[in-house]
Amino acid sequence: DAKTTQPNSMESNEEEPVHLPCNHSTISGTDYIHWYRQLPSQGPEYVIHGLTSNVNNRMASLAIAEDRKSSTLILHRATLRDAAVYYCILRDSWDAGNMLTFGGGTRLMVKP
Amino acid sequence: DVKVTQSSRYLVKRTGEKVFLECVQDMDHENMFWYRQDPGLGLRLIYFSYDVKMKEKGDIPEGYSVSREKKERFSLILESASTNQTSMYLCASSLGRGGVGTNQPQHFGDGTRLSIL
Repeated sequence: DAKTTQPNSMESNEEEPVHLPCNHSTISGTDYIHWYRQLPSQGPEYVIHGLTSNVNNRMASLAIAEDRKSSTLILHRATLRDAAVYYCILRDSWDAGNMLTFGGGTRLMVKP
Repeated sequence: DVKVTQSSRYLVKRTGEKVFLECVQDMDHENMFWYRQDPGLGLRLIYFSYDVKMKEKGDIPEGYSVSREKKERFSLILESASTNQTSMYLCASSLGRGGVGTNQPQHFGDGTRLSIL
């Protein structure tokens, strides 16, 4: 899988929007961009994924740059429960192994 | 919502014991996975299964085996536990078979923190 780069940590205030960036300059045409998060003492949780167009779901929005070399996960109103490590990963459409590989991720801290 | 249930949150075993970790999913998913997660090493795949009685080795299968007798259940077995198998073990499931549907999200259980003394 192609490599992604994320900041080690970010801070946000409760009820404010949060923009979590991810760089993936070597992304290939068949790579999907996936986001997962992991709360303390819990398993990873799927957040959102996309290929080219921006995506919205009940948890977050995913904004993908036109050249697809970067993307941003948007939490519209951060809550204390959103404090977690957020992982941006690329998954090839035809990855036979179907496994996930997490990098270091971004630790999001939410202040009341 | 998908529910992936791991049998224990915390488990303490002794060196040499045979250890069974159980995982059950309730969404009729074809794919199931066992990972371990260690600080600084991230998530590493031990085994996965894309169908009943089918299994494939992941990156670190040594010292482990798996069993998938029913679609909803995937068991991880430590044949003879060793201290270097102390870790957080995570089970996951997803739709799809093999290379098809690989962009289906994976749904994880809450993990089993296993300590081998």
